[in-house]
Amino acid sequence: EVQLVDSGGGLVQPGGSLRLSCVASGFTFSSLGMHWVRLAPGKGLEWVSYIDNSGTNEFYTDSVKGRFTISRDNAKNSIYLQLSGLRAEDTALYYCATGAYDYWGRGTLVTVSS
Amino acid sequence: DIVMTQTPLSSPVTLGQPASISCTSSQSLVHRDGNTYLSWLQKRPGQPPRLLIYKISNRFSGVPDRFNGSGAGTDFTLRISRVEAEDVGIYYCTQGTRFPRTFGQGTKLEI
Repeated sequence: EVQLVDSGGGLVQPGGSLRLSCVASGFTFSSLGMHWVRLAPGKGLEWVSYIDNSGTNEFYTDSVKGRFTISRDNAKNSIYLQLSGLRAEDTALYYCATGAYDYWGRGTLVTVSS
Repeated sequence: DIVMTQTPLSSPVTLGQPASISCTSSQSLVHRDGNTYLSWLQKRPGQPPRLLIYKISNRFSGVPDRFNGSGAGTDFTLRISRVEAEDVGIYYCTQGTRFPRTFGQGTKLEI
C-alpha cells in the first residue's frame, strides 16, 4: 500500500523557519519525482515545488523562490521542504504528493503568526 | 505561466443528475512528448486531494465510471454522469505540461 506521511508543521513567527518532511512507502521512491502543494485558508490548491527522482532538478513557484528549498534522500524514502523567511501568506496546509498527483500525504499545517 | 480557468466556480447540483465543469488553459497543454498532461482532482473536506482523471480522460484506479474527462489542446471538461452525495467537494483541473505547475481556481460542487 502506498503511503505518504508528511510532518514538521507548526506555529512560527514571521521571518522564522521550519522544515517539513514526507516519508514514503509502498512504491519505488527513487523512481518518482515529488511535489509539495499547499492549501491556504479560504483559497484553492497552490503548487509550491517539485524535485525530480534523482534530486538533480528542482522547481518552485515564484512566491517562494529564494525562501524555500526542496530536497530528497532516496536512502530514507523522504523529501523535505525547508521554509525560511516565512510570511503570514505562507500559512497553509502543506501536502506532499507523487509526481502525477496519484498519491498524497494527509498534510501538515504551517501557521505563520506573531 | 500557464493560467488555468475553470467555469463555473460554483455548481448547485441535484442528486442523480449530471454535472459538468470546464477548464481552459492559456496555452496548449500538448507536451513535446505528444501527451497532454491535464488532470482533475477532487478535494473533500478533511481529506487530502484525490486524483480522478489524468492525461485528459484516463480514470485513476478506483475512480467510479460516472467520472469522465474529455477535451484537447486548451479546452477540457469533467463530467459526472449521475451525481451522488459523496461527490460534494471542490474540483480542480491542473496542468503537468510545463513548470511552474498550475491549478484552476476550483469548482465547488454542492447539493
